[in-house]
Amino acid sequence: SAVISQKPSRDICQRGTSLTIQCQVDSQVTMMFWYRQQPGQSLTLIATANQGSEATYESGFVIDKFPISRPNLTFSTLTVSNMSPEDSSIYLCSASRGLKNEQFFGPGTRLTVL
Amino acid sequence: KNQVEQSPQSLIILEGKNCTLQCNYTVSPFSNLRWYKQDTGRGPVSLTIMTFSENTKSNGRYTATLDADTKQSSLHITASQLSDSASYICVVSPPQTGNNRKLIWGLGTSLAVNP
Repeated sequence: SAVISQKPSRDICQRGTSLTIQCQVDSQVTMMFWYRQQPGQSLTLIATANQGSEATYESGFVIDKFPISRPNLTFSTLTVSNMSPEDSSIYLCSASRGLKNEQFFGPGTRLTVL
Repeated sequence: KNQVEQSPQSLIILEGKNCTLQCNYTVSPFSNLRWYKQDTGRGPVSLTIMTFSENTKSNGRYTATLDADTKQSSLHITASQLSDSASYICVVSPPQTGNNRKLIWGLGTSLAVNP
């Protein structure tokens, strides 16, 4: 298994500002992913964080709004840029050791935008 | 229409009782079907993973079943405990050889176990 931590665990932000969420895995993993979970909704994949290259974004998500970094095999960041109240959500980091392998999830970051 | 539908949406049971959660899916064929438990304020934790050829898989007091003919899966919880209170999410992996980028998530069943 893999233990994943996220910082911050929660934050309240003003409209128009940006927040960077950090994700740390306790061991090297192949794949890292960022999800969004809005109230009453299922998890939605934002992007796959690729080590040393640009992230792969899913339909409806763009790099300008959600820039992602992954400098090494155990760490990634997601920035939520120019926030609006619609960005209020839980943001989850996950990791797996292969494209087909079991995914492990972090505890999530609860973001509220006023 | 959601490709993965779960029922009931919420459930309340007494501690010690058994319960069964349902998942109906339209994704076919698929690579694997997963059940996750998500505690409030936490990330999902994997309970079981079944390939399309498996009928049942257990993890302690949790037993998942799969009927590929009817496209149904169930999660049975035996002798429930207060700590079982959580959301239980059914997830189907479409046939791109279990590609983690293409998982289809259900909305979950919210289970409350009362003393």
